[in-house]
Amino acid sequence: GAGVSQTPSNKVTEKGKYVELRCDPISGHTALYWYRQSLGQGPEFLIYFQGTGAADDSGLPNDRFFAVRPEGSVSTLKIQRTERGDSAVYLCASSPAPYNEQFFGPGTRLTVL
Amino acid sequence: GEDVEQSLFLSVREGDSSVINCTYTDSSSTYLYWYKQEPGAGLQLLTYIFSNMDMKQDQRLTVLLNKKDKHLSLRIADTQTGDSAIYFCAAASNTGKLIFGQGTTLQVKP
Repeated sequence: GAGVSQTPSNKVTEKGKYVELRCDPISGHTALYWYRQSLGQGPEFLIYFQGTGAADDSGLPNDRFFAVRPEGSVSTLKIQRTERGDSAVYLCASSPAPYNEQFFGPGTRLTVL
Repeated sequence: GEDVEQSLFLSVREGDSSVINCTYTDSSSTYLYWYKQEPGAGLQLLTYIFSNMDMKQDQRLTVLLNKKDKHLSLRIADTQTGDSAIYFCAAASNTGKLIFGQGTTLQVKP
């Protein structure tokens, strides 16, 4: 594709529900990153994949958050038992390799009621 | 831990130069980036500088890096109303993940 795409663009859910957020990176990009941006803040790192494996998951806030990238392309961020504090814009970025420029998607705005 | 700090707000007149400042703590950061975010839009990479450089110029943008003081600045020459946005400084860690500052809101008055 032309750029990084993320679906859905908006997601409204109720407290306690499970959500999945999807990221389609630029074709051929081996590195994929997830960030979370709360209102008025800069993006915060969540997890980084190199190929299929999570190379750095130090930013995941707790065990309710999990991400996969089974075939080294599309990635899914999964949030269990959502809380109101999870409301934010979830950003995905990909790059040809670590340390290269990261190209960001438009984000998924998650609202937990 | 790793941290990046920026001033929160800058207001300039159209045609003036804007200077946005940033400090970071991780001395091992190899790349430092400036991103622009307009309302409702994604992050757009403006420019970056490698840690062994002092300065990089790209059209109206000039990046200065003082590695000793861990200080980075972005200068925008001839600032236009279309430059109004939030500007983020980001430092790349040793895994390539980016540590972002809180963002500087640039307001350009006609």
